[in-house]
Amino acid sequence: GQNIDQPTEMTATEGAIVQINCTYQTSGFNGLFWYQQHAGEAPTFLSYNVLDGLEEKGRFSSFLSRSKGYSYLLLKELQMKDSASYLCAVRDGDYKLSFGAGTTVTVRA
Amino acid sequence: ETGVTQTPRHLVMGMTNKKSLKCEQHLGHNAMYWYKQSAKKPLELMFVYNFKEQTENNSVPSRFSPECPNSSHLFLHLHTLQPEDSALYLCASSQEIAGGHEQYFGPGTRLTVT
Repeated sequence: GQNIDQPTEMTATEGAIVQINCTYQTSGFNGLFWYQQHAGEAPTFLSYNVLDGLEEKGRFSSFLSRSKGYSYLLLKELQMKDSASYLCAVRDGDYKLSFGAGTTVTVRA
Repeated sequence: ETGVTQTPRHLVMGMTNKKSLKCEQHLGHNAMYWYKQSAKKPLELMFVYNFKEQTENNSVPSRFSPECPNSSHLFLHLHTLQPEDSALYLCASSQEIAGGHEQYFGPGTRLTVT
């Protein structure tokens, strides 16, 4: 089976930075995805890493270390609208994604 | 709006009922998926269809029956469900060519089994 771990909850202040860690143990690896899911809405794609290193996209960055089975999602200049659940997902085959349970981020004023 | 629609958005059904969930994608993708999302648990992959052919059945009970008549539509037929089947059911699609393509999710159907 697949094992993907991420913290359950994180709280941060508006304007701050938050880093959400994800560790994984999977039978194969073909990329790691981060999704954002607001309450009652569909998950939406944020980032994709398949090679080691940092991918930056505006206020959001994602890092991957394949040798360590580790990724993080960095959210900078936090805004109230960033309050959501953040899902780490590992692709272990041609189509199959295995998801972590998600990290609920609460941004306080 | 992600280009993936699901109906109904909410469904309450008894254990003896038969109902169907519908998903439609307007993105020209060739792969479609059903996921189950329960509170505080990871998304669970249920079924995968690629070019209308089922390529994955993740040990799902037979009371869930998928149907994919074409690459744009996906159904999940439900019968004799149990209360523990209450969850958010998400449909997703992707364009699978060389791998590494993100999945686009619909808004989900919130199912309550009474």
